[in-house]
Amino acid sequence: DVKVTQSSRYLVKRTGEKVFLECVQDMDHENMFWYRQDPGLGLRLIYFSYDVKMKEKGDIPEGYSVSREKKERFSLILESASTNQTSMYLCASAQTGNNFSPLHFGNGTRLTVT
Amino acid sequence: AQSVAQPEDQVNVAEGNPLTVKCTYSVSGNPYLFWYVQYPNRGLQFLLKYITGDNLVKGSYGFEAEFNKSQTSFHLKKPSALVSDSALYFCAVRDYGGSYKLIFGSGTRLLVRP
Repeated sequence: DVKVTQSSRYLVKRTGEKVFLECVQDMDHENMFWYRQDPGLGLRLIYFSYDVKMKEKGDIPEGYSVSREKKERFSLILESASTNQTSMYLCASAQTGNNFSPLHFGNGTRLTVT
Repeated sequence: AQSVAQPEDQVNVAEGNPLTVKCTYSVSGNPYLFWYVQYPNRGLQFLLKYITGDNLVKGSYGFEAEFNKSQTSFHLKKPSALVSDSALYFCAVRDYGGSYKLIFGSGTRLLVRP
């Protein structure tokens, strides 16, 4: 089974702090994604990456950046955390191929910014 | 732009009764549709997908979904609900242009009462 591991289940940070959310997948997937989940809004894509050192903006990239130095790891960075970034953050990975393989998700990191 | 809509915030059903969770889509080109389930404090788990072929797609945990091109719908169904099916369900569509991004609906909470 594919395993996507997010380093923290819960995080509490202060406004203005720099925050790192880490995600590691063990199936050699080319594609990795960061979504945030908010009640009533579903999942919204922040950034994604289709290869090492490659990144693409999603629908809500403002206030975030990402890093993908190794294939298995995709990091989300909040440069200066704000209270409106309090949310559940979900990392996912997917294999490139012709079978439209599904996304595999981690268990999420619930971030609270105070 | 690709999009999906889940018109119901919550669906209530008695255990043993059939359940339907609704999803409609809007796409340019062929729709590639997915259903995911999220249990409390967990990430999303893949249930099933429609790429092409038979309009009735079978998935995990006894769920199935019916693709209807004329009504642009992809409703999730199960003949007999279980209390353990209570969870948050998301419909999603693959983004246009060969990307592996998924665009999610706002989610429907399913509550199965004993």
